Amino acid sequence: NAGVTQTPKFRILKIGQSMTLQCAQDMNHNYMYWYRQDPGMGLKLIYYSVGAGITDKGEVPNGYNVSRSTTEDFPLRLELAAPSQTSVYFCASSPSHNEQFFGPGTRLTVL
Amino acid sequence: AQRVTQPEKLLSVFKGAPVELKCNYSYSGSPELFWYVQYSRQRLQLLLRHISRESIKGFTADLNKGETSFHLKKPFAQEEDSAMYYCAQRTSGSRLTFGEGTQLTVNP
Repeated sequence: NAGVTQTPKFRILKIGQSMTLQCAQDMNHNYMYWYRQDPGMGLKLIYYSVGAGITDKGEVPNGYNVSRSTTEDFPLRLELAAPSQTSVYFCASSPSHNEQFFGPGTRLTVL
Repeated sequence: AQRVTQPEKLLSVFKGAPVELKCNYSYSGSPELFWYVQYSRQRLQLLLRHISRESIKGFTADLNKGETSFHLKKPFAQEEDSAMYYCAQRTSGSRLTFGEGTQLTVNP
């Protein structure tokens, strides 16, 4: 099993550009999550999903969108990138309410 | 809103010394608490959960409802314990609220 995979590993965007961060898991987990981690801060939940076709906002959803058309994939869309979205983005999945399994992260810089 | 507080951003100890990473939570009910760890160049991973009452890699954590704390302890720190440690609390459903993390350095 590859577990949770994220692409790309790194990306530099210009202000106003858009991009999609990809996240996939091969563990057949129902729950998936997107977090952002700013320097010196903990992880903040952006969006989460409890199953295909169901998504909900987390703590910091503004400027982002998600979709969950399959159990495996949970892409995060950034529209009109802003410098405040410079961060490390982590995707995670879990089979239940307990342990979350994390991807390696995507480091995004918006200039 | 529920909050998880880790008061120390940085903690440095010598090998063989005891280590305690502090965590305080704000939920007044029956919390579910976790410690996650991120070693250098590795993914964030679960270290232990309070409900299991387990010891992982020599670490234990006791839930103290009176002090709303879930401190992580190890009697004899090892160099390989150097990592970033996050305390987390399950909020609604499957969501977790994370603390800001403590970077532990174990010096030789």
